[in-house]
Amino acid sequence: DVKVTQSSRYLVKRTGEKVFLECVQDMDHENMFWYRQDPGLGLRLIYFSYDVKMKEKGDIPEGYSVSREKKERFSLILESASTNQTSMYLCASRTSSPVGKTQYFGPGTRLLVL
Amino acid sequence: KQEVTQIPAALSVPEGENLVLNCSFTDSAIYNLQWFRQDPGKGLTSLLLIQSSQREQTSGRLNASLDKSSGRSTLYIAASQPGDSATYLCAVNVIGAGNMLTFGGGTRLMVKP
Repeated sequence: DVKVTQSSRYLVKRTGEKVFLECVQDMDHENMFWYRQDPGLGLRLIYFSYDVKMKEKGDIPEGYSVSREKKERFSLILESASTNQTSMYLCASRTSSPVGKTQYFGPGTRLLVL
Repeated sequence: KQEVTQIPAALSVPEGENLVLNCSFTDSAIYNLQWFRQDPGKGLTSLLLIQSSQREQTSGRLNASLDKSSGRSTLYIAASQPGDSATYLCAVNVIGAGNMLTFGGGTRLMVKP
């Protein structure tokens, strides 16, 4: 079974702190994704990576950056956390081809920024 | 830009009922449509994936249909059980968007014993 793990289930940070969210997948998937999920707004794509050191902006990249130094690990970075970044963060991965394959999701990290 | 809408936003039914969840999308140029389940505070679990060339997929008590020309999909749940209580999300993989998904807002289902 595909396994996607996220470093923390719950995280509390203060405004201005630098925050790292880590995601690891064990299926050698090329593609990895970071989403945030908010009530009434659904899931929105922040960034995705289609290979090591490759990244593309999603719909809401402002205030975030990402790092993919190894194939199995995709990190989301909040350079200076703000209260409007309080949210549920979900990581996902999938194989790059064929196109008709599903994404596999991690359990999520609920981040509270005070 | 692709928009995905799910109706209703919330649904409460008694155990044993058959029910239908709806998903509509604005751009029919899709590779596939997927239905996911999300339990409170958890990640998403893939339920069914329908390729653009297919009309439906079945898994146990779940049946998903796809009408690409009208931009609609339905998820049919037969003989609902309290364990089916969760949020159900549909998502489309748009042609030209690589492997990115566009999600609907979800339908929160409660099945009462």
